Amino acid sequence: GEDVEQSLFLSVREGDSSVINCTYTDSSSTYLYWYKQEPGAGLQLLTYIFSNMDMKQDQRLTVLLNKKDKHLSLRIADTQTGDSAIYFCAETKTDKLIFGTGTRLQVFP
Amino acid sequence: DTEVTQTPKHLVMGMTNKKSLKCEQHMGHRAMYWYKQKAKKPPELMFVYSYEKLSINESVPSRFSPECPNSSLLNLHLHALQPEDSALYLCASSQGDYYEQYFGPGTRLTVT
Repeated sequence: GEDVEQSLFLSVREGDSSVINCTYTDSSSTYLYWYKQEPGAGLQLLTYIFSNMDMKQDQRLTVLLNKKDKHLSLRIADTQTGDSAIYFCAETKTDKLIFGTGTRLQVFP
Repeated sequence: DTEVTQTPKHLVMGMTNKKSLKCEQHMGHRAMYWYKQKAKKPPELMFVYSYEKLSINESVPSRFSPECPNSSLLNLHLHALQPEDSALYLCASSQGDYYEQYFGPGTRLTVT
């Protein structure tokens, strides 16, 4: 399809790991991004990965990239209640950012 | 410092009003963006300024008029809006094309 797709909703227990998945469309995308949006707020850049990498780790965040399947994932280790938000993946397409549909992460105690 | 500021935080306007949204960054970024975001949806690109020149206009209605007075400032002038224009308007900036974008907190606009 034409859209960058994400599952709508993910619910995890505090302390567990969360994995948010994204299927993008353009195999020539140079960078792929993960943004976090809390209610009523702007988008916070969490991390990004260059297309020639398979994995990037940044503290509790691990990004995995499978270029063959055009699949991107974000793993959050030791998920906390403050991680509750909407997470958007985004790909670069020509000179624009194309956002995924967003995944709402809910963390319960 | 990766801060983009936007004013006002909230704006309520009638369909005959004229108002402006403002965005500012002091990161030396050369590209600035306006996005519109409806509830439960991803941001949609409206305009891109690169080196203070309008480089992308995503077929936005003329009731939205962008302006880039200098490399740090971006305005969005609003006139004769419709209720369906109610949304969160986000500004972003980046070092240039293909670089990561940093977003402001947004202006929540309600058109009555």
